[in-house]
Amino acid sequence: DTEVTQTPKHLVMGMTNKKSLKCEQHMGHRAMYWYKQKAKKPPELMFVYSYEKLSINESVPSRFSPECPNSSLLNLHLHALQPEDSALYLCASSQGLAGVTYNEQFFGPGTRLTVL
Amino acid sequence: AQSVTQLGSHVSVSEGALVLLRCNYSSSVPPYLFWYVQYPNQGLQLLLKYTSAATLVKGINGFEAEFKKSETSFHLTKPSAHMSDAAEYFCAVRVYSTLTFGKGTMLLVSP
Repeated sequence: DTEVTQTPKHLVMGMTNKKSLKCEQHMGHRAMYWYKQKAKKPPELMFVYSYEKLSINESVPSRFSPECPNSSLLNLHLHALQPEDSALYLCASSQGLAGVTYNEQFFGPGTRLTVL
Repeated sequence: AQSVTQLGSHVSVSEGALVLLRCNYSSSVPPYLFWYVQYPNQGLQLLLKYTSAATLVKGINGFEAEFKKSETSFHLTKPSAHMSDAAEYFCAVRVYSTLTFGKGTMLLVSP
């Protein structure tokens, strides 16, 4: 299985809602990533987990809360979002971080988030 | 710090014509370089990667790229464009643990 899956595909939420995005991989990868992608822009790194521990947080607002319950699963909890947070949220995974030769990242299809 | 520059936000070609998408990188250490493709409303798919094993890299769907250290370039080419190649293409450089993406080039293919 060389696939990263993300659910839901689409999500519409109000600014007072709490929702979660889910990402799963069964490739035995030990690093997982969340990216945010606005229209016509490249992906922007949000968080990196390595061996289920948060490794990188790119100064993301606290209304985004990542969680890595196990090595196959990555969640992104959303609370009190703003309309400008509307974007495509991409999950990715790789074998590891430093120490792996080329560390190719595999991306999921993304969750299209709309905040009203 | 590393960076990637993709020349041309849009490139238009006719079906059957040569595709050339340009990527220049900046890195203080030997880089690993990648080309990804993104179709509308989808995630990123890896086309090919440079990992220092060979300077000419062949990828999926007939694409290839050549690493030129002297020019700090990693341009993507395909001899004959197909309508299904129309998509956004991102060049990326990895140094240590994170990827840095270029701004992307939209490839438009006309019949």
